[in-house]
Amino acid sequence: QKEVEQDPGPLSVPEGAIVSLNCTYSNSAFQYFMWYRQYSRKGPELLMYTYSSGNKEDGRFTAQVDKSSKYISLFIRDSQPSDSATYLCAMNAASSASKIIFGSGTRLSIRP
Amino acid sequence: EAGVTQFPSHSVIEKGQTVTLRCDPISGHDNLYWYRRVMGKEIKFLLHFVKESKQDESGMPNNRFLAERTGGTYSTLKVQPAELEDSGVYFCASSQDRASYEQYFGPGTRLTVT
Repeated sequence: QKEVEQDPGPLSVPEGAIVSLNCTYSNSAFQYFMWYRQYSRKGPELLMYTYSSGNKEDGRFTAQVDKSSKYISLFIRDSQPSDSATYLCAMNAASSASKIIFGSGTRLSIRP
Repeated sequence: EAGVTQFPSHSVIEKGQTVTLRCDPISGHDNLYWYRRVMGKEIKFLLHFVKESKQDESGMPNNRFLAERTGGTYSTLKVQPAELEDSGVYFCASSQDRASYEQYFGPGTRLTVT
């Protein structure tokens, strides 16, 4: 069983829609939860991180972590065509803080 | 400020040959990481350097892979001899702090072994 599960998509939504991306995980030791965005032929770019449970908002992006359910989400409001990319959830544990565990990524396409 | 750079961007080699990938981290970042993504799989951690020392190499798949970081600046990852299953994208990342979720990734080197 993978430590982090993420639906690969693809997910296609019209411009302006609210996008919801999700991951589940199995390791209760995970404490930092990240979302990376990756454009084609580029490296992953850190979008947001959250420590432990709770919500964090940054502009049009909101990250949520529910440790009791081992479930994390990324919401994108007022989606734009420039948001089209692969979104990777990632997490790590304090005991191995340098080792980030990635989900497989969800490919998102925003239709103009 | 320059980001993480990797060279080459793409390498095609035959099974049994040797390939060396290079990573230049962001200036001043003591921590350097290697990851790889093989076809259809998630990005997986290979190893972590703090300056020139290997801090965690638990993700290295086997002894055909050798990572070095002489002088604590750039790093190389050598695959010798390459096998078909080594094909994938190899990413390098760097960070300022050791226990850091804030790792900055390079564009990756796409390795194709034929």
